[in-house]
Order: sequence, then C-alpha cells, then structure tokens
Amino acid sequence: DAGITQSPRHKVTETGTPVTLRCHQTENHRYMYWYRQDPGHGLRLIHYSYGVKDTDKGEVSDGYSVSRSKTEDFLLTLESATSSQTSVYFCAISDRAGITDTQYFGPGTRLTVL
Amino acid sequence: GQQLNQSPQSMFIQEGEDVSMNCTSSSIFNTWLWYKQDPGEGPVLLIALYKAGELTSNGRLTAQFGITRKDSFLNISASIPSDVGIYFCAGGNTGTASKLTFGTGTRLQVTL
Repeated sequence: DAGITQSPRHKVTETGTPVTLRCHQTENHRYMYWYRQDPGHGLRLIHYSYGVKDTDKGEVSDGYSVSRSKTEDFLLTLESATSSQTSVYFCAISDRAGITDTQYFGPGTRLTVL
Repeated sequence: GQQLNQSPQSMFIQEGEDVSMNCTSSSIFNTWLWYKQDPGEGPVLLIALYKAGELTSNGRLTAQFGITRKDSFLNISASIPSDVGIYFCAGGNTGTASKLTFGTGTRLQVTL
C-alpha cells in the first residue's frame, strides 16, 4: 500500500468555522490531489498539486484552498465551513514517471458541518 | 463537471457467479483505471489500462479498454464474498496533470 495518511480521520465542526485537513505521504510522489466523495457523485476533484508550491483548481474548488510547502504534505482548508461541505475527503498521490496516471488514495476524512 | 456513466448502479449476485460492469464516456481518454472501495476506506487500484483495445487481467478480474477510447468494462469471475464493495471506473489523459474523471460507481453485493 502506498504510504498515505490523512488527519483527522473524523471531524465534526460548526458552520462558519475554519477547518484544515492534512494529507501526508512517504512515497516522494510529485502529484497530490484532494477529492470529495458524495452519494450519487462519485469522486470529484477539488484541487491538485504538481509540485511544492504549485497548485491548481479542480472541478469543485469553490470554498476550498490548498497549500503545499513540502513534498510530503498537502493541506486542504475550508476557510468558513458550510453544511454543503459535509462529505468524505480523500487525498491521492501519483508519480507520473513514464505514462502512468495511476493514483493511490488515502483512507479518507469524514467531515460533518453542523 | 463531467462524470462517467457506470452501469449497473448496483447488483446482487450469488457466490460463484461472474460479474460484468461497464463505464462509458462522451469524451475520449487514453487511460482507464478501475478501483474498488471497501466501506470506510479509500479506493484501491485494481487494474490500469493504457492502450485502446487492451485486455488486462489481475487474478479473477479482467478489464478492457474500448477501441473507441470512450468505454471500458470490468469482469469478475467466480465471485466470492470479499468482492463486495463499490467499483469505480476512472478516465484520464496524460498531459493534463493526471486529472482523473470518476464514474459514479457500481455497488456489488454477493450472497452466499
């Protein structure tokens, strides 16, 4: 299994509060991703990073920001959490050596915004 | 945003039966991936396909990359109880920072 951890694994917070989720990898992979998973929607990309301090938006980036100051860590921040951001959040990593686009996923963080 | 159409959405099968599921897209991809997700865990990669027409096996799993590059299917032979879970397809294109588009999933339940 790829060395990916996410913290916290579960969080309950209130509307309007800031929340930061952390993804940590030990694989030294260049690319890191944040997805959210909701019933009926599968996995949707929020933001991704293609190197330290290099990030870009995915299809559902509104209300989220990210930072990557080290290869191994990718942080997802909800500046002011809303109930619509209740979801399960997954981090993924990939190594684009060759032509592979395979991504390996972390265990997920279940976030509930009340 | 774009999503891939997976079918069936769910299926109940008996242990020992073969299973087939597919994924279709309106866009062309040059990579197709199949993942399985167990409850409370992240998706785990099962099979990766990189070439149109490619047929790849991983144990009891066989997946094919459609000739049109707009579809893929996954077969599971002789299903066992641990095959229970949600199966996701994902399509991607190299050169787009590995951005994958995921299907909505097929939930598989296996009865004894």
